Amino acid sequence: EVQLVESGGGLVQPGRSLRLSCAASGFTFSNYWMGWVRQAPGKGLEWVANIKQDGSEKYYVDSVKGRFTISRDNAKNSLYLQMNSLRAEDTTVYYCAKLVVVTATRWYFDYWGQGALVTVSS
Amino acid sequence: DIQMTQSPSSLSASVGDRVTITCRASHSISNYLNWYQHRPGKAPKLLIYDASSLQSGVPSRFSGSGSGTDFTLTISSLQPEDFATYYCQQSYSHPLFGPGTKVDIK
Repeated sequence: EVQLVESGGGLVQPGRSLRLSCAASGFTFSNYWMGWVRQAPGKGLEWVANIKQDGSEKYYVDSVKGRFTISRDNAKNSLYLQMNSLRAEDTTVYYCAKLVVVTATRWYFDYWGQGALVTVSS
Repeated sequence: DIQMTQSPSSLSASVGDRVTITCRASHSISNYLNWYQHRPGKAPKLLIYDASSLQSGVPSRFSGSGSGTDFTLTISSLQPEDFATYYCQQSYSHPLFGPGTKVDIK
């Protein structure tokens, strides 16, 4: 059974940093693209970032470029999201997700974690 | 950018009802359209990929159709566990997800 478990969420002040982790199990982690998706309170889903199997390709939504870094440790079956210079608008639930990538324009998220809440507030 | 719209934004329905949700893309996305179900406090769940392929383990009352710019998700007989928000998603360019359709109990 595929399981994705996020951790590391919490309350953080504007301008500070936080790192989210996602522990994966039930599949060969190193064989799959992985990503982060977030959902602000009362809002819809927003894709944040994706990372290739070996970490050689990373993609970000414009609003987090230069502030967030996605990474992975295949030996630990873990995905990470380093979030720097956090803003109030980054207050959302962050979901870790496993991707199925067929081509650059044909891909989807087939499994998701339960989410980690990040609150950015002074 | 490709803009995604969904209609309706919300609907009220009863158990046993047939429900149809529409997703429209501003440009053609072939059949690269996916549907997710999201219940409060739960992990989002993939229902349909490539417009009409049912994800493994998803009940057959869910079906998808369409290509190009217009797509439909149909629930043939609404069950209590189906009350949720449904999102469409394309993978051509950001923003990827539609705004969602909330299905609640009439």
